[in-house]
Amino acid sequence: GQQVMQIPQYQHVQEGEDFTTYCNSSTTLSNIQWYKQRPGGHPVFLIQLVKSGEVKKQKRLTFQFGEAKKNSSLHITATQTTDVGTYFCAAYNNNDMRFGAGTRLTVKP
Amino acid sequence: NAGVTQTPKFQVLKTGQSMTLQCAQDMNHNSMYWYRQDPGMGLRLIYYSASEGTTDKGEVPNGYNVSRLNKREFSLRLESAAPSQTSVYFCASSEARTSGRTDTQYFGPGTRLTVL
Repeated sequence: GQQVMQIPQYQHVQEGEDFTTYCNSSTTLSNIQWYKQRPGGHPVFLIQLVKSGEVKKQKRLTFQFGEAKKNSSLHITATQTTDVGTYFCAAYNNNDMRFGAGTRLTVKP
Repeated sequence: NAGVTQTPKFQVLKTGQSMTLQCAQDMNHNSMYWYRQDPGMGLRLIYYSASEGTTDKGEVPNGYNVSRLNKREFSLRLESAAPSQTSVYFCASSEARTSGRTDTQYFGPGTRLTVL
């Protein structure tokens, strides 16, 4: 079956530093979604990527979908304490969907 | 709109006990899902219901049963709880889940279950 690897598992940054999490699939994906979960909260949808090589931006967040549609990344520029949480990718291959294990981001003020 | 609601928020069971986790959504969504979340393992799909009247197994269905009671409600039952089922359980819903189409999933607040 489909395997989804997300790295790193943890990332601790100083406020103002950049942050990137990567999601890699063993199979070609139809699309990928990204979710954020605050500590003690539930996952909240951020964005969906569908096209090969697609890049989308939401303020300080930049999402990319690889040309081969097997990997994706989420980059945060100049992190803030409000960015704290766990970021998950959800990788879709036809009717099979798997979440990555998540990257837990902590930000030191 | 409340979105997705789950009850209870917390539960402690003894090994062998049974219980049902309740989930309801008020967004008129067709599809509903049950996940479990364990440390370091992300979210794993237990069962889903693509539409009212249908249910399908996900990645980790063993030890669980589900019922899509109506379009709004999707329950998860543990017939004989085991310590390995200690986890946080999330219910989610989306407009539709069909082959080739994926929609935003809206998650409930979760149920923290401990099995002793």
